[in-house]
Amino acid sequence: EAQVTQNPRYLITVTGKKLTVTCSQNMNHEYMSWYRQDPGLGLRQIYYSMNVEVTDKGDVPEGYKVSRKEKRNFPLILESPSPNQTSLYFCASRGGGVGYGYTFGSGTRLTVV
Amino acid sequence: AQKITQTQPGMFVQEKEAVTLDCTYDTSDPSYGLFWYKQPSSGEMIFLIYQGSYDQQNATEGRYSLNFQKARKSANLVISASQLGDSAMYFCAMRDTSGTYKYIFGTGTRLKVLA
Repeated sequence: EAQVTQNPRYLITVTGKKLTVTCSQNMNHEYMSWYRQDPGLGLRQIYYSMNVEVTDKGDVPEGYKVSRKEKRNFPLILESPSPNQTSLYFCASRGGGVGYGYTFGSGTRLTVV
Repeated sequence: AQKITQTQPGMFVQEKEAVTLDCTYDTSDPSYGLFWYKQPSSGEMIFLIYQGSYDQQNATEGRYSLNFQKARKSANLVISASQLGDSAMYFCAMRDTSGTYKYIFGTGTRLKVLA
């Protein structure tokens, strides 16, 4: 089944403790992206990647890191999480054509206390 | 800069009636794509429909159609014959082809279908 797999689904952590949210897609998609969803703000792009080793900042990159060492994986790293990073996070991937919509993962609900 | 605006935070519609969800956009790029997504209460994001800026006809996908008015910069989603399962949050999104590959979303409209 074509899908984007994110883990974990739920995570509660403490301020300052480094964490990684994994994301993997099995569709051989070039483009991958991370979004955070907050009430009243919709989805905001954190980082995106156009291919292996090619990444760029979205609209809210502060406090996050990403890497794209393999085409299928695009992990999101929070080096020192803070409470304002409590949010619902989505990883997404899409093919290269202009009309392709993103396929989203199931989301990761992160709480930083 | 790109911008997507959804001015309706919430809407109600009676089952079996049609409903229009508004979306306006702003971009200086002549080539762009517009998308709608559905987010049910379970949280997943589901791609519904796409409209390209050069497409002559309005996009349709089953009960979903996109009312694209380029001069007004609007891309409203029309859901015909609403069903209870259509109750969800709906997001409008835009991607331009300027090379930045950014893909931005509006703030969403929560639709409730009444029996």
